[in-house]
Amino acid sequence: QLQLQGSGPGLVKPSETLSLTCSVSGGSISSSSYYWGWIRQPPGKGLEWIGSIYYSGNTYYSPSLKSRVTISVDTSKNQFSLKLNSVTAADTAVYYCARRYRDCSDTGCPGRFDPWGQGTLVTVSS
Amino acid sequence: QSALTQPPSASGSPGQSVTISCTGTSSDVGGYDYVSWYQQHPGKAPKLMIYEVSKRPSGVPDRFSGSKSGNTASLTVSGLQAEDEADYYCSSYAGSNNLDVFGTGTKVTVL
Repeated sequence: QLQLQGSGPGLVKPSETLSLTCSVSGGSISSSSYYWGWIRQPPGKGLEWIGSIYYSGNTYYSPSLKSRVTISVDTSKNQFSLKLNSVTAADTAVYYCARRYRDCSDTGCPGRFDPWGQGTLVTVSS
Repeated sequence: QSALTQPPSASGSPGQSVTISCTGTSSDVGGYDYVSWYQQHPGKAPKLMIYEVSKRPSGVPDRFSGSKSGNTASLTVSGLQAEDEADYYCSSYAGSNNLDVFGTGTKVTVL
């Protein structure tokens, strides 16, 4: 059974870089059937897609965060990571990692998020 | 790429049905049959309940069903049970560059 476990600092100072890692167990991150995604949820608010990555390194980012986000993958460790720079209080959120199915056709590669990691609360504060 | 629009809240008595809408555009919900629905209990990670508009993952009760018409998708929970009280989010594929977008979320209350 595939499991995802996020990890990283729970407190980041304003203007610095938020860094999180998601470790995948019970399956290979190098599968051609999936992307690997990051989604966040500010306290008391809704879900926001941040971006996704393929094991080859191809990345897809939310237009609203694209200028500040970098997602990378380490297939040797079966992990993928998120970096968000120049953070402000508005970036305080629970950050989830998730497997994103990849059902490719002429229109692209849509899919669902399943399963999800447990979530990591990151607070941006001095 | 704007968030999909959901009603903030919905409610029903045990045994009744509740339907939640998810409205997007022709660039997301209306353009692809790739709408998913997620259930989230307080303090927990979201759980996939419906994918590709109307398909249920293994283990999800058949009380949960999905549909789509034009730019609006819907989730119906029939025979409401106390454990169905949760937040529900829709999500849709948004086309080129493999973009995804989530809905604003609906809090379902079992009266």
